[in-house]
Amino acid sequence: DGGITQSPKYLFRKEGQNVTLSCEQNLNHDAMYWYRQDPGQGLRLIYYSQIVNDFQKGDIAEGYSVSREKKESFPLTVTSAQKNPTAFYLCASIIAVGGNQPQHFGDGTRLSIL
Amino acid sequence: AQSVTQLDSHVSVSEGTPVLLRCNYSSSYSPSLFWYVQHPNKGLQLLLKYTSAATLVKGINGFEAEFKKSETSFHLTKPSAHMSDAAEYFCVVSDRSGTYKYIFGTGTRLKVLA
Repeated sequence: DGGITQSPKYLFRKEGQNVTLSCEQNLNHDAMYWYRQDPGQGLRLIYYSQIVNDFQKGDIAEGYSVSREKKESFPLTVTSAQKNPTAFYLCASIIAVGGNQPQHFGDGTRLSIL
Repeated sequence: AQSVTQLDSHVSVSEGTPVLLRCNYSSSYSPSLFWYVQHPNKGLQLLLKYTSAATLVKGINGFEAEFKKSETSFHLTKPSAHMSDAAEYFCVVSDRSGTYKYIFGTGTRLKVLA
């Protein structure tokens, strides 16, 4: 079955450490997104990418970085500059940017601080 | 600018009684609207979407929503709640101007009492 795979499911970060969250999709979707979810705040957009080798900052990009070297993959790095990284991170994709397509979501990665 | 307001952060219903989760939106363009469900530590699953076809939209698991332009509302309903409906529900709006943005409400947690 096609879908989005996020790994790992749980991740722990030490002070000063960068960590990378994986997101892989086999839906042949063009656009991919990273969201951060905190209790009571809904989902906030970190980065998105419409095509390979191109990505744009979302509303809360500071302290995060991404790459899009392959259509299927959109890894998110949480850098040491992100001072409050504890959250649930969700990756999503859509077939093409346009606004009327629903997003497909992975099952998330929960990041905590050691 | 687009925005979405979910009017209740928590809703409790008894099993077998109707469910009403309220969502109001604001959009400069003709909006596309979505409802998603999220179970604990899982990604978001699409329940239904409105993209300017019929104003009454039927979704999965017996849910439906009615788009009311005059009230700028897109409330989610279900005639009879089941224990498995207990989850968090998100209303999402996007515009059709070709931008990437999907704006999420802050969520409504539905509790179903036996």
